Amino acid sequence: DAKTTQPPSMDCAEGRAANLPCNHSTISGNEYVYWYRQIHSQGPQYIIHGLKNNETNEMASLIITEDRKSSTLILPHATLRDTAVYYCIVRGESSYGKLTFGQGTILTVHP
Amino acid sequence: EAGVAQSPRYKIIEKRQSVAFWCNPISGHATLYWYQQILGQGPKLLIQFQNNGVVDDSQLPKDRFSAERLKGVDSTLKIQPAKLEDSAVYLCASSFSYNSPLHFGNGTRLTVT
Repeated sequence: DAKTTQPPSMDCAEGRAANLPCNHSTISGNEYVYWYRQIHSQGPQYIIHGLKNNETNEMASLIITEDRKSSTLILPHATLRDTAVYYCIVRGESSYGKLTFGQGTILTVHP
Repeated sequence: EAGVAQSPRYKIIEKRQSVAFWCNPISGHATLYWYQQILGQGPKLLIQFQNNGVVDDSQLPKDRFSAERLKGVDSTLKIQPAKLEDSAVYLCASSFSYNSPLHFGNGTRLTVT
């Protein structure tokens, strides 16, 4: 599966949109982009995933560039409870379903 | 729906002792995963089951770690004997199929002294 690159940390003001970038320049055509987050002392939580179209659910939006080499997770109105480590993961058929986690981005939401 | 259940939540043992962790996946989920998460790192896959068969155990230290998933539902992960470097959070996850999102439990935090 393609590897991903994320900034180690980001800050965001409460109530503002949090935009978390991810580079996956070696992604192949049948690989999906998944986003998970991990709040302290909890297991990773599924947020959203997509192949090539933009996706939105009740938690977040996922914007994937046309060449699919990068994506952005958007939390439209960040709250203090969104402070967590956010993982961008590329998952393909060759992985037989497993997720390979990197270091992720530590997002800190400030009052 | 009920989430992935894991127990115990915390465990402290001395090195060379044995320990076992239990996982009950979401009902109907055929695929079950065990991950190890060392402090400050992302989770690392130890073993993956499809029903009660092993799909991937390439990163499982088989000299000391073992796992089973009898009847394709619950699973146990065992460490015998434990080493100091086994101190970590052990996460269990399940998914309906290979193409479905994984759902994680809150893990068991193991401290080996």
